[in-house]
Amino acid sequence: EAQVTQNPRYLITVTGKKLTVTCSQNMNHEYMSWYRQDPGLGLRQIYYSMNVEVTDKGDVPEGYKVSRKEKRNFPLILESPSPNQTSLYFCASSFQGAYGYTFGSGTRLTVV
Amino acid sequence: AQSVTQPDIHITVSEGASLELRCNYSYGATPYLFWYVQSPGQGLQLLLKYFSGDTLVQGIKGFEAEFKRSQSSFNLRKPSVHWSDAAEYFCAVGGSSNTGKLIFGQGTTLQVKP
Repeated sequence: EAQVTQNPRYLITVTGKKLTVTCSQNMNHEYMSWYRQDPGLGLRQIYYSMNVEVTDKGDVPEGYKVSRKEKRNFPLILESPSPNQTSLYFCASSFQGAYGYTFGSGTRLTVV
Repeated sequence: AQSVTQPDIHITVSEGASLELRCNYSYGATPYLFWYVQSPGQGLQLLLKYFSGDTLVQGIKGFEAEFKRSQSSFNLRKPSVHWSDAAEYFCAVGGSSNTGKLIFGQGTTLQVKP
């Protein structure tokens, strides 16, 4: 089944403890992206990648890192999480940007 | 800069009634436009997209949208709403086919009355 898989689905962590949210797609898509969703703000793009080793900042990249060493994987790294990063995170992939993203099921992160 | 505005935060319609969700965008060139739907507790599903050509596009689940360049709008419509359409709807704008940048609006929550 074609899909974008994120792990974990739920995560509670403490301020300052480094964490990684994994994202993998099995559709051989070139493009991948991370979004955060907050009530009243819609989805805001954190980072996106157009191919292996090619990444660019979205609208809210501060406090996040990404890497794209393989085509299928695009992990999101929070080096020192803070409570304002408590959010619902979505990974997405696309064959080509304009074709529209396919989204994962989301990761609900709580930073206390 | 790209931006998307969905003027209606919350809309309630009766089952069987028609629906129109508004979306206005700001973009300097020809936009790539999308509508996504998010059911409670779920990820986002692509309803339809517009790149070029016919300004009326058909999507899944009986939805359609019309691109109006003069009004910078891309409104979503459905002639008869079903209770299962209750969800949050997001309009999004992208810049071109070779960029992964995609900007979303704030979303419109649709409630369907029996």
